[in-house]
Amino acid sequence: DTGVSQDPRHKITKRGQNVTFRCDPISEHNRLYWYRQTLGQGPEFLTYFQNEAQLEKSRLLSDRFSAERPKGSFSTLEIQRTEQGDSAMYLCASSPRGAAYEQYFGPGTRLTVT
Amino acid sequence: QKEVEQDPGPLSVPEGAIVSLNCTYSNSAFQYFMWYRQYSRKGPELLMYTYSSGNKEDGRFTAQVDKSSKYISLFIRDSQPSDSATYLCALVNRDDKIIFGKGTRLHILP
Repeated sequence: DTGVSQDPRHKITKRGQNVTFRCDPISEHNRLYWYRQTLGQGPEFLTYFQNEAQLEKSRLLSDRFSAERPKGSFSTLEIQRTEQGDSAMYLCASSPRGAAYEQYFGPGTRLTVT
Repeated sequence: QKEVEQDPGPLSVPEGAIVSLNCTYSNSAFQYFMWYRQYSRKGPELLMYTYSSGNKEDGRFTAQVDKSSKYISLFIRDSQPSDSATYLCALVNRDDKIIFGKGTRLHILP
């Protein structure tokens, strides 16, 4: 399968714990995006990378959130000191360079903070 | 006014009917228009993208863009129960910023 993959698919954590999610994009895509989606809403943009460079971060991305793409391949999204409001689906997408309109999404990581 | 407005539904139609899904937007800077399908607890799946005003067809799906009215539509012909999902419109501006609609929940009744 050559689509976008995400790991884990589900994560249950207690408030105050740190969590890290991983995304593996389509191999020939050099752009990688992170989104958050809550029930009844469309995906909300968090941040994106072009190769290893993080080019934009949303105001939604508080200082508890950090994302990396160290070698321009896979990416990680870490949430420190999780809060109940962080419970959501975290989606990763990738696209070819200059083709933000052609994003392909992974299956998502569903985070539940208790 | 929100940048993208999309009726959340739910929209229920009988199998075989033509489905019309719509979004309106406020910013004329949007250049690309996409439609995604999302099944429950899955990631969105890209159905179609288009750039210019007019129609683009792919099988049973037709995307329509009217830039003058800031209105985009997705039509599904010969709807099937497997089309039951949430349909999201998404728009990209010149800075590659993407905005998604809230999605419309569609139910195709057998």
